[in-house]
This record gives sequence, C-alpha cells and structure tokens, in this order.
Amino acid sequence: KQEVTQIPAALSVPEGENLVLNCSFTDSAIYNLQWFRQDPGKGLTSLLLIQSSQREQTSGRLNASLDKSSGRSTLYIAASQPGDSATYLCAVRGSSNTGKLIFGQGTTLQVKP
Amino acid sequence: NAGVMQNPRHLVRRRGQEARLRCSPMKGHSHVYWYRQLPEEGLKFMVYLQKENIIDESGMPKERFSAEFPKEGPSILRIQQVVRGDSAAYFCASFPRSGESTDTQYFGPGTRLTVL
Repeated sequence: KQEVTQIPAALSVPEGENLVLNCSFTDSAIYNLQWFRQDPGKGLTSLLLIQSSQREQTSGRLNASLDKSSGRSTLYIAASQPGDSATYLCAVRGSSNTGKLIFGQGTTLQVKP
Repeated sequence: NAGVMQNPRHLVRRRGQEARLRCSPMKGHSHVYWYRQLPEEGLKFMVYLQKENIIDESGMPKERFSAEFPKEGPSILRIQQVVRGDSAAYFCASFPRSGESTDTQYFGPGTRLTVL
C-alpha cells in the first residue's frame, strides 16, 4: 500500500530565503508525482507534475525533483515571498489505472515579511 | 481549477440528516474523483467515476456514502444519516481522460461540511 509522507509539517522562514520541502513515498511504482498548493479554505492548485521517467521540473521560482529509486521528491522554492505562504501537498499517482492520487499530509509554509 | 464547480461551498447538517454535495467538472471532462480532507489530515481518495459508471470506490466508507455521475448533470456525493465524524472538506477533481501520465486533475474549491 502506497504511503506518502511530507516533512516538515510546518515551516516558517523570513522573506527571501531559499527553502526545500520533502516528500517520500513507499512504493516506487508510480506514474507521476505532483506538487499542489492549497490556500486556507480554498481548493488545490497544481504547481508541478513530474512524470515517472523525469527527474525534475521547473516553473519560475519552483523546482521539483524526483528520485524514484529512493522514493523521494523535493520542492525547492527560491527567493521566498510572503505570497508563497500556503500548504504544499505532494501527491503520487500510483500503479493502478484509475489515476487516483495519494496525498501526503502537507507542509504549511509561512513566509514572514 | 476555476472550471470545476462545487456547491454548496459550505453545508451544515444535524446528525442523522442527509448531505448532498454536487460537482460539475470542467467542460469536456467525463471523469470525476472525490476526495475527503479531514481536519488536520491529508486528502484521501474516495471514489472515481465516469459518466454513468463507478470505476473505483475503494476509498468509500462501506455504509451511508454513495456517489453517482449521471449522463446529464453534476456528480453527486451523498451522505446519509450524517455523524460528527463526517465533518470535513470534500473536494471534487475532474480529469480529461484516463491512462495519460501527463494529465493532471483539476480540483474544485471544495464543500466544507459541518455536522452539528
């Protein structure tokens, strides 16, 4: 059974810092891995999707890496801003064909001005 | 995700009542997923539907919960005889098609159910 773990659960940093969020998963047989952002009381916004054959994806100040063999992914945020404050969720699409996502519990990030 | 609509956004029910949550997927999407986010927990898969078919309901509680996605109209998640433990945010996600590793699910804003 696939399990996804995210550490840390919460993170507070001053504006401008570079930071790394971690995600680990127990079953390396995945189709893809996604990072989402969730603002309080809102839905989820997809940030980056890494296919199982890829090692990283970049979008603006965000870079996500994937190491399937070790069951790990990291989300790197460069030059953090107060607007980056949110909960970041990692999700894997497993080996089943139904496409369901298995989520970690998230990392809540606060970027202080 | 602005294209996925869920209503109501907030729903309050008393124990024993029924809750009906609706989800309209993005235009052209015929696949819908429902997830539940309990307080202080991550999102958990509940059910995956195509129009007129339940494809995977492995995450649905065995009793009181049901889901449908009719040929016309929104997908409905129905919870009968709600209990306090059903209080959660329920998210719907729509998907253009299955089997494509590059496709992403588009999430709605969620329905926050509170059971008194």
